[in-house]
Amino acid sequence: GAGVSQSPRYKVTKRGQDVALRCDPISGHVSLYWYRQALGQGPEFLTYFNYEAQQDKSGLPNDRFSAERPEGSISTLTIQRTEQRDSAMYRCASREAGTDTQYFGPGTRLTVL
Amino acid sequence: AQSVTQLGSHVSVSEGALVLLRCNYSSSVPPYLFWYVQYPNQGLQLLLKYTTGATLVKGINGFEAEFKKSETSFHLTKPSAHMSDAAEYFCAVISKKSSGDKLTFGTGTRLAVRP
Repeated sequence: GAGVSQSPRYKVTKRGQDVALRCDPISGHVSLYWYRQALGQGPEFLTYFNYEAQQDKSGLPNDRFSAERPEGSISTLTIQRTEQRDSAMYRCASREAGTDTQYFGPGTRLTVL
Repeated sequence: AQSVTQLGSHVSVSEGALVLLRCNYSSSVPPYLFWYVQYPNQGLQLLLKYTTGATLVKGINGFEAEFKKSETSFHLTKPSAHMSDAAEYFCAVISKKSSGDKLTFGTGTRLAVRP
């Protein structure tokens, strides 16, 4: 079946603009995770959902970052008033209930000029 | 708190040689351990995982890893490298009881395979 998809794959924006990154998980997967990966680093946890409930947002760096998953499927990560330091690869993963494996999408490469 | 250390950000081996990528972890509770691989312009793909049971786990593409609690290690090996193994490899840990299943990753090791 289809894997995790993310859109857009690449996003270039100017400092101060808002961006919305989309994640479409594997159908039926209950849990959805967002990670951010800076160049030369491993992915770092941002937030995750079980169904539509945001369970943990401790990794969101500040209040410019928010995420939602209103119907328990597609999720959107929004960054308001982007800054150059927000430039990174944003990765989404989903996990089936009762399992341990997170399946990752291809990521969205965000560049803030 | 949990953490992962991957020794060597770059490893280069000859085709046919042994691949050894090192991973050490820190966790206050029994860990679940994972190795992911990232090929250029692709997402992270699971290679293998240890949760419970047998400490030697086998994954895709001939890779295997051994969980050694006494050494807090989960090194990744492959007996004979192939050119197609060139990629970036990430070790990750979940501490089930404390972290809500979020993965903590190491900084990655880029594997180059020489002809």
